[in-house]
Amino acid sequence: EAQVTQNPRYLITVTGKKLTVTCSQNMNHEYMSWYRQDPGLGLRQIYYSMNVEVTDKGDVPEGYKVSRKEKRNFPLILESPSPNQTSLYFCASSNWGTMYNEQFFGPGTRLTVL
Amino acid sequence: KQEVTQIPAALSVPEGENLVLNCSFTDSAIYNLQWFRQDPGKGLTSLLLIQSSQREQTSGRLNASLDKSSGRSTLYIAASQPGDSATYLCAVPASGGGADGLTFGKGTHLIIQP
Repeated sequence: EAQVTQNPRYLITVTGKKLTVTCSQNMNHEYMSWYRQDPGLGLRQIYYSMNVEVTDKGDVPEGYKVSRKEKRNFPLILESPSPNQTSLYFCASSNWGTMYNEQFFGPGTRLTVL
Repeated sequence: KQEVTQIPAALSVPEGENLVLNCSFTDSAIYNLQWFRQDPGKGLTSLLLIQSSQREQTSGRLNASLDKSSGRSTLYIAASQPGDSATYLCAVPASGGGADGLTFGKGTHLIIQP
């Protein structure tokens, strides 16, 4: 089954404790990205990657890092989480560069930073 | 910068009614437009993708139309059912080809009364 998976689905942590949210897709997509969703602000892009070893900042990259060492994986790293990073996070992938670049989203990771 | 507006923000209708959700975007130079469904606290499910060369796209009881020149799209839901209750999101590429992700509307929160 074609899908985007994220782990963990739920995470409660404390300020300053480094964490990684993993994202994996099995559709051989070149393009992957991370979004956060907050009440009243909607979905905003954090980082994106157009291919292995190619990443770029989205609209709200501060406090986040990403890496793309393999085509299927795109982890999101919070080096020193803060309470304002409490949010619902989504990973997405697509066949960017084609006209039919439908975006597929993962199930989401609900992060709470205390 | 692309902006997406969805009207209405919320809608409550009795079961069986046909309904229309509206989406407008400011920059008409888009490759495609995508409609998503989001259940509370869950991920985004892609419903329909309309390419810029298409006028409409259908899937079951759903029909989405696109008028690029006026910057508008509508999602028509026929014979609504309680299971259609969810938030519906419209999204377009943030710029041109979409390398920097999608710009989302704030969504229409739909409730179908049994």
